Amino acid sequence: GENVEQHPSTLSVQEGDSAVIKCTYSDSASNYFPWYKQELGKRPQLIIDIRSNVGEKKDQRIAVTLNKTAKHFSLHITETQPEDSAVYFCAPPRNYGQNFVFGPGTRLSVLP
Amino acid sequence: DVKVTQSSRYLVKRTGEKVFLECVQDMDHENMFWYRQDPGLGLRLIYFSYDVKMKEKGDIPEGYSVSREKKERFSLILESASTNQTSMYLCASSPPGTSNEKLFFGSGTQLSVL
Repeated sequence: GENVEQHPSTLSVQEGDSAVIKCTYSDSASNYFPWYKQELGKRPQLIIDIRSNVGEKKDQRIAVTLNKTAKHFSLHITETQPEDSAVYFCAPPRNYGQNFVFGPGTRLSVLP
Repeated sequence: DVKVTQSSRYLVKRTGEKVFLECVQDMDHENMFWYRQDPGLGLRLIYFSYDVKMKEKGDIPEGYSVSREKKERFSLILESASTNQTSMYLCASSPPGTSNEKLFFGSGTQLSVL
């Protein structure tokens, strides 16, 4: 089955610094690569996604890069703010279907 | 905005009880999912459904069953609750097709089995 890992598992940065979270996966059929953000006590919400025909996608302070050959994709957050503090999950799909495997999560803390 | 509603935010049950967790979505989505979330383990898929009356096992279906009698409603059933089923349960839905894979989550049900 699909094996999904995230690194690091926890990350602390100073406000204004950048943060990078990496997700590695094993299912070569994956073609859609989303990142979800879950704030404390709230539901996960999609923040950015990328498809396999694109290498990078940006949306204001967040970006996702994809290296399909190496089977990993990364979330980049620039100019971090306290409201970026949350747990971030990658969730590559498997089996060509709408069936996702979530990574174990990365807890990001942005220190003021 | 898509709304996915879970019937209870907190639930406390006794070992051996039959437990029903209800999930309703209002966007006519074909796909519905049940996950459980435990610290350090991410979200693990219990069951999913692509259509009414249809169900598929996820990664951890043991001890659970599901029901999808209507398109908007997907129920998770714990036939005989056990303490290791204490967890946060998240329901999600998504529209069909390869261009719309975004998952919309409910707010979750924190189940405690005593």
